[in-house]
Amino acid sequence: AQSVTQPDIHITVSEGASLELRCNYSYGATPYLFWYVQSPGQGLQLLLKYFSGDTLVQGIKGFEAEFKRSQSSFNLRKPSVHWSDAAEYFCAPKEAGSYQLTFGKGTKLSVIP
Amino acid sequence: GAGVSQTPSNKVTEKGKYVELRCDPISGHTALYWYRQSLGQGPEFLIYFQGTGAADDSGLPNDRFFAVRPEGSVSTLKIQRTERGDSAVYLCASSLTPSTGELFFGEGSRLTVL
Repeated sequence: AQSVTQPDIHITVSEGASLELRCNYSYGATPYLFWYVQSPGQGLQLLLKYFSGDTLVQGIKGFEAEFKRSQSSFNLRKPSVHWSDAAEYFCAPKEAGSYQLTFGKGTKLSVIP
Repeated sequence: GAGVSQTPSNKVTEKGKYVELRCDPISGHTALYWYRQSLGQGPEFLIYFQGTGAADDSGLPNDRFFAVRPEGSVSTLKIQRTERGDSAVYLCASSLTPSTGELFFGEGSRLTVL
């Protein structure tokens, strides 16, 4: 069965520190891959996406993600976290030809000033 | 407005009552989606509209849930005989290019069934 796993429920980092949020998926074929962010009082916002090609993708707000086929992973990274990055982050694969995103359970990020 | 608008933002109802949740998508977006987000979970797909028709309703949990989009713009999610387990945030999203998965979400309607 298709599934997506975000192993970390909650991560706390200091402002200025680097960040990596993990995402693993289990699909028959490589899906399209997305990261969305949900800030308090705001709707989900697309951070970045991977369809094919270059395995390192750049997104908004200084985020990037690396697709690793051998590990079935699509981890989100940021070199230096800002207090405004505190939010919940969702990894969401989408099977090619489908219109459904399958969201992980999310990772809540807290930032210590 | 420029974004996806959902009303009401909060709805409290009693078990067994009927509820309607409204979504006004971004102008020009032909694709519209409903997702449901329970506490501590990621959003779960409910239904997808392309234009006026429901192209994929495989996520609707049972026949108490129904959604319409009669003119290809505003959509209404209808829940009959509400149950406590229906309590969740109902998210609407729209897209100009549905095949890409790039969705624009509203802030959601929080439904509480007492």
